[in-house]
Amino acid sequence: QSALTQPASVSGSPGQSITISCTGTSSDVGGYNYVSWYQQHPGKAPKLMIYDVSKRPSGVSNRFSGSKSGNTASLTISGLQAEDEADYYCCSYAGSSTFVVFGGGTKLTVL
Amino acid sequence: EVQLVESGGGLVKPGGSLRLSCAASGFTFSSYSMNWVRQAPGKGLEWVSSISSSSSYIYYADSVKGRFTISRDNAKNSLYLQMNSLRAEDTAVYYCARARVEFSVVTAILNWGQGTLVTVSS
Repeated sequence: QSALTQPASVSGSPGQSITISCTGTSSDVGGYNYVSWYQQHPGKAPKLMIYDVSKRPSGVSNRFSGSKSGNTASLTISGLQAEDEADYYCCSYAGSSTFVVFGGGTKLTVL
Repeated sequence: EVQLVESGGGLVKPGGSLRLSCAASGFTFSSYSMNWVRQAPGKGLEWVSSISSSSSYIYYADSVKGRFTISRDNAKNSLYLQMNSLRAEDTAVYYCARARVEFSVVTAILNWGQGTLVTVSS
């Protein structure tokens, strides 16, 4: 069982918006503004999409946005495109003992 | 361009050992925290270990503590993972990863290698 809880799957049609949630505790997501999100296509390495809850690395489309409320972080993808179909993982700093935790991953299907 | 190239994976028997290496280029290796993250076949990502830029701070996941050792050689721009007492549940693709650090905290994984597969089986 992963430390952070994500829905196993979400889906949406091209052009729509979807949101993926990531629920942790006050020891990880809720305790620090160090939530990051990664996109992984089949057979490929993950790619950083969001860091520090809501910041986008250079080169990442502004269709991707992040937010956090309490112990739950969220990734929103607007204007869904076929190439957005992938697995998405959230990640959080979890203190000096556990250090880093990932969510179980969410498979996004673009219908 | 940042490049991280892992090597050293393969098939090993339970209880055996393996040493993974990661050759880094395209950035100032000695300035960055480096990590190992693994992914079992068909499963999610699992953070394994982290080492600070000067090797002063080292962290391990509970699942590998006491069995795995992370190290780095800044002169060779290389990261290593010595894996001992391997178990079937250690079977995974192991990714070398460059981290973004703030106040000694890993805040995100900036770059990932393509991974090297470790299979633990008799």
